[in-house]
Amino acid sequence: DQQVKQNSPSLSVQEGRISILNCDYTNSMFDYFLWYKKYPAEGPTFLISISSIKDKNEDGRFTVFLNKSAKHLSLHIVPSQPGDSAVYFCAASASIGGSGGGADGLTFGKGTHLIIQP
Amino acid sequence: GAGVSQSPRYKVAKRGQDVALRCDPISGHVSLFWYQQALGQGPEFLTYFQNEAQLDKSGLPSDRFFAERPEGSVSTLKIQRTQQEDSAVYLCASSLARSSGYTFGSGTRLTVV
Repeated sequence: DQQVKQNSPSLSVQEGRISILNCDYTNSMFDYFLWYKKYPAEGPTFLISISSIKDKNEDGRFTVFLNKSAKHLSLHIVPSQPGDSAVYFCAASASIGGSGGGADGLTFGKGTHLIIQP
Repeated sequence: GAGVSQSPRYKVAKRGQDVALRCDPISGHVSLFWYQQALGQGPEFLTYFQNEAQLDKSGLPSDRFFAERPEGSVSTLKIQRTQQEDSAVYLCASSLARSSGYTFGSGTRLTVV
């Protein structure tokens, strides 16, 4: 039973246009969401995150939107560049009450392979 | 070091062989995680350390998998009597705090033949 779902295995976008990657989750305890980017033969690289108390977070060309009622988040990349071609993973975590410092384990989606076409 | 370092990068093991995978986290990072990524899948949580304490090992698929972090820095994931289904990329990640995200290593690709 997948708690984090990325229903599009791949997405092709023209250079300069907007890329929109979608992610749905089922666990209502998730309160922190992250996007990672992965190139072949490398580990995932942290891109951007959002806490459940927000509905939008922006960092340069990357914006993440969170719709808690729909249990849906999306990553917008604009404008898309050739170097953005990679696999993008959506990930989520739930606070463990009283855990204090340190991070919590992540639940990942299966990833979306974004291809930016020149 | 500047990043999370994992060794070896690639490991081929014969079925039944024991393997040990090493992770050097970023200096000062309290939290350390191991993930398993099968082909075409996202990373799946295996186990979590806070300093030397293994706080969560619920993701370890069987008792053939064992992880340790005796001095709160370097961690080793050991797989005994490897099986073909253990073939995957094993990723290590470390973190200072939740809001700072996790830094992943490049992973160890294990192939069991």
